[in-house]
Amino acid sequence: SQTIHQWPATLVQPVGSPLSLECTVEGTSNPNLYWYRQAAGRGLQLLFYSVGIGQISSEVPQNLSASRPQDRQFILSSKKLLLSDSGFYLCAWSVWDSQGFFGPGTRLTVL
Amino acid sequence: GESVGLHLPTLSVQEGDNSIINCAYSNSASDYFIWYKQESGKGPQFIIDIRSNMDKRQGQRVTVLLNKTVKHLSLQIAATQPGDSAVYFCAERTGTSYGKLTFGQGTILTVHP
Repeated sequence: SQTIHQWPATLVQPVGSPLSLECTVEGTSNPNLYWYRQAAGRGLQLLFYSVGIGQISSEVPQNLSASRPQDRQFILSSKKLLLSDSGFYLCAWSVWDSQGFFGPGTRLTVL
Repeated sequence: GESVGLHLPTLSVQEGDNSIINCAYSNSASDYFIWYKQESGKGPQFIIDIRSNMDKRQGQRVTVLLNKTVKHLSLQIAATQPGDSAVYFCAERTGTSYGKLTFGQGTILTVHP
């Protein structure tokens, strides 16, 4: 069966520090991978999506970047965090003929 | 899109009532639609899906209706229970964009005992 992992579950970082969030998927091959951000009480904002290794599409201009070094690994990074980067970060995967599956999320607080 | 920065619309119902949550989608080329439920602090969970060649699909206590003419999707929950309280999102997939999912803004459903 398919499983999606995200870590860490929670993170508190100072402004200006770097960020690395990791997402890995099990049980499927060549998935589409997504990073979403969600502010409290708000909707899901698509940040990046990837259709294959090394292929990244950015949906909004921002302080973040994404990489896909392996088929089932998706990484969200920042060199210098801003206060506005705080939020709930969700990784998701989908394949052509299926629903999207979400990970448990990472709660990031930038102080 | 821009709606992600706005407060989500809310729907309050009494336990046992039927709930209807609506969603307007943007792309007439979308061929697959999904409803998700998100509980506080968790990732969204799949509820039900429908393909564009259908106008209605039923699950356990839930029904999704698709009106392609006006690009409208609805989720009906029968005999709503307090455990149904959550945020509900619709998502559309457009066949020309590698299966990318695009989400609606979401609706907060609160069920009062």
